[in-house]
Amino acid sequence: KQEVTQIPAALSVPEGENLVLNCSFTDSAIYNLQWFRQDPGKGLTSLLLIQSSQREQTSGRLNASLDKSSGRSTLYIAASQPGDSATYLCATETSGSRLTFGEGTQLTVNP
Amino acid sequence: EAGVAQSPRYKIIEKRQSVAFWCNPISGHATLYWYQQILGQGPKLLIQFQNNGVVDDSQLPKDRFSAERLKGVDSTLKIQPAKLEDSAVYLCASSFAITGELFFGEGSRLTVL
Repeated sequence: KQEVTQIPAALSVPEGENLVLNCSFTDSAIYNLQWFRQDPGKGLTSLLLIQSSQREQTSGRLNASLDKSSGRSTLYIAASQPGDSATYLCATETSGSRLTFGEGTQLTVNP
Repeated sequence: EAGVAQSPRYKIIEKRQSVAFWCNPISGHATLYWYQQILGQGPKLLIQFQNNGVVDDSQLPKDRFSAERLKGVDSTLKIQPAKLEDSAVYLCASSFAITGELFFGEGSRLTVL
């Protein structure tokens, strides 16, 4: 059974700082890994999807990397802004097409 | 393009009562998911449909939860009777294919008193 862990559970940084969120998973036989953003009281917004054959994906100030062999992914946010404050969740897709989520990292970017 | 629509957004009921949530996925998306998200936790898959067939319902508490997707479009999730521990946000998601990017609705927040 896949288990996904996210560290840290919460992070508070000053505006402009570069930061890294971590995600680890126990079953490396994944189809893909996705990073989502969740604002309070809202649903999830897909940020990046990395296929199992890929090493990284970039979108604007976001860069996600994937190391299947070690069961790790990182989400790098450059030049953080207060609008980046949200909970970030990673999820892996394995055989059977089930997304398994971590518990998220709650990010606060202070002006 | 319209997103995933869910209703109601909020529902408060007493334990042992019943409740139903509705989801309309993005047009053309064959795969539909219901997730349960308890406060402070990541979403947990309850059931996955491919068109109107069930792909995975292994984590659905079938003694009290039921879901259907008639005609392979809209879906309804029902809880009867509700327990206190069912208080959560129920998220519906859809995707074009059985794997790939998921699109989520804004969720239905259930409070059981």
